[in-house]
Amino acid sequence: IAGITQAPTSQILAAGRRMTLRCTQDMRHNAMYWYRQDLGLGLRLIHYSNTAGTTGKGEVPDGYSVSRANTDDFPLTLASAVPSQTSVYFCASSEGQREAFFGQGTRLTVV
Amino acid sequence: GESVGLHLPTLSVQEGDNSIINCAYSNSASDYFIWYKQESGKGPQFIIDIRSNMDKRQGQRVTVLLNKTVKHLSLQIAATQPGDSAVYFCAECLGSSASKIIFGSGTRLSIRP
Repeated sequence: IAGITQAPTSQILAAGRRMTLRCTQDMRHNAMYWYRQDLGLGLRLIHYSNTAGTTGKGEVPDGYSVSRANTDDFPLTLASAVPSQTSVYFCASSEGQREAFFGQGTRLTVV
Repeated sequence: GESVGLHLPTLSVQEGDNSIINCAYSNSASDYFIWYKQESGKGPQFIIDIRSNMDKRQGQRVTVLLNKTVKHLSLQIAATQPGDSAVYFCAECLGSSASKIIFGSGTRLSIRP
């Protein structure tokens, strides 16, 4: 069982470019999340989806968009990347009020 | 506002000793708490959870204690091993919505040989 798969594992991106971070889960969980992790700031929620077809804004949504066309996939898009979006991005999923399962992360550097 | 914080950003423990990692939360409405372990270069990994109707829960070498009176959560690791070196996060959950999980900033646990 793969769990949560994120791609790419790392990326260097020029400022102003568009980028989509991919996330796929095979656990059929209803809820999915995107977090960014910056040193000293822990995990901050960007966007979430409680179920396929619905999305919501988290703590730091500006500059990011998501879609949830089906249960398994939850891509995160940076429309026009800026250096402050340099971070490690984690996708996660969960079922009901249960623990979240995390992917291995995408390390993004915007230059 | 709502917050989850940790008393110590770093903790150094002798191998074989017990480790205690603390966490404070501020929202008395939180009804579910989780501890995660994050090793370098990896995503957070679930360790143990506890619901607000309990005050103690034990797993393999780990115990979570919940004190709702003072809004305090702790993770105890018995006989700490080198493989326990990681950053540990607590998280509080305010209901079942995906938007209601709040993570603390983490405590780094290092093991002295």
